[in-house]
Amino acid sequence: DQQVKQNSPSLSVQEGRISILNCDYTNSMFDYFLWYKKYPAEGPTFLISISSIKDKNEDGRFTVFLNKSAKHLSLHIVPSQPGDSAVYFCAGGGGADGLTFGKGTHLIIQP
Amino acid sequence: DAGITQSPRHKVTETGTPVTLRCHQTENHRYMYWYRQDPGHGLRLIHYSYGVKDTDKGEVSDGYSVSRSKTEDFLLTLESATSSQTSVYFCAISESVGAHSTEAFFGQGTRLTVV
Repeated sequence: DQQVKQNSPSLSVQEGRISILNCDYTNSMFDYFLWYKKYPAEGPTFLISISSIKDKNEDGRFTVFLNKSAKHLSLHIVPSQPGDSAVYFCAGGGGADGLTFGKGTHLIIQP
Repeated sequence: DAGITQSPRHKVTETGTPVTLRCHQTENHRYMYWYRQDPGHGLRLIHYSYGVKDTDKGEVSDGYSVSRSKTEDFLLTLESATSSQTSVYFCAISESVGAHSTEAFFGQGTRLTVV
């Protein structure tokens, strides 16, 4: 039973355009959601988060949108840059028992 | 960067041998976690700790045990390693959880190969 789903294993976007990564969840008890970015041979690094009581959070080129009724969130990256090429993980959290992660989406930024 | 150190960074071990991975933090965070990352599965929680000597099981805890005798160290032990435990292991720390939570910070990972 996957509580957090990232249905696109990979996504290719042209440099300068918008990248949109999607995530669906089933657990209504999540208090907050996070996006992590991961390069090969490195640990995941925190990118941006959103509380379950908000519908949008913005940080520079990165914006996360939350639609609670649809149990869906998305990460927008504008404009996309070559350094954004990485695996992106969506995660939900709430209690002491850590974060529940999706399987990840490999974002490839084409020059 | 959050002060998290995982050791060793790489290890090759034989089936049936015990293995211990160490996570050391200098942030004095209360919560510590062990995850494994496998292709097609993302990051899955093995065990977590919410204080010294306070630990609990995660999603994929079978074959693993943990100990936390002091705030800064969280040990993950494979009692008798199997090939299915070949994976990349990540430690994470978090200062708070729940509605006022902070993000979790991850270590660099330990690549474990069981042959």
